[in-house]
Amino acid sequence: GAGVSQSPRYKVAKRGQDVALRCDPISGHVSLFWYQQALGQGPEFLTYFQNEAQLDKSGLPSDRFFAERPEGSVSTLKIQRTQQEDSAVYLCASSLGRTGDNNEQFFGPGTRLTVL
Amino acid sequence: AQTVTQSQPEMSVQEAETVTLSCTYDTSESNYYLFWYKQPPSRQMILVIRQEAYKQQNATENRFSVNFQKAAKSFSLKISDSQLGDTAMYFCAFMDSGAGSYQLTFGKGTKLSVIP
Repeated sequence: GAGVSQSPRYKVAKRGQDVALRCDPISGHVSLFWYQQALGQGPEFLTYFQNEAQLDKSGLPSDRFFAERPEGSVSTLKIQRTQQEDSAVYLCASSLGRTGDNNEQFFGPGTRLTVL
Repeated sequence: AQTVTQSQPEMSVQEAETVTLSCTYDTSESNYYLFWYKQPPSRQMILVIRQEAYKQQNATENRFSVNFQKAAKSFSLKISDSQLGDTAMYFCAFMDSGAGSYQLTFGKGTKLSVIP
């Protein structure tokens, strides 16, 4: 595909359920980022991968959040025992590299998670 | 930690007129990038313009230009000849080019409405 894709686009979960959100980055992009965007706010950083290595997970709000990118392409963000405060849009972004012209992050459409 | 402040939650402009969106940031770093992203109602974030801090010349992309004042830590976006398609949320974002993680730190956004 030409851009970053995410699935599902919408997810409704009951409090306490586990969810898995998928991100397909642009082919060949080394860097992959997850952001959380609460209603009416700017996106906030969750975690960063360079290929398959998770180099920064400082933004993950709790140990209920887990992300992986085992083969350096597709990434999954997993949230265990969801809480109402987890309701947000989860954005995935990828970039070709890290510096200069390669640092533009291309965003997916996001997954809107609603926890009831 | 870096912070990005957008002091205008909402703005409106008449079609074909010019509008300026404000952004200030706080950092102790000397090398960094600044970005303006556009998020239309469909929610897919799109890069509008990018500025490298070491470049004194203000970036320009067609109808979009920035006024980068490094000493004042100000990075405003000017949209000339506003079009209906410019209606969107606009986010100012900061990236520390010296850090290991190339995450974006976003402001809270400015909702721009272009009025026919």
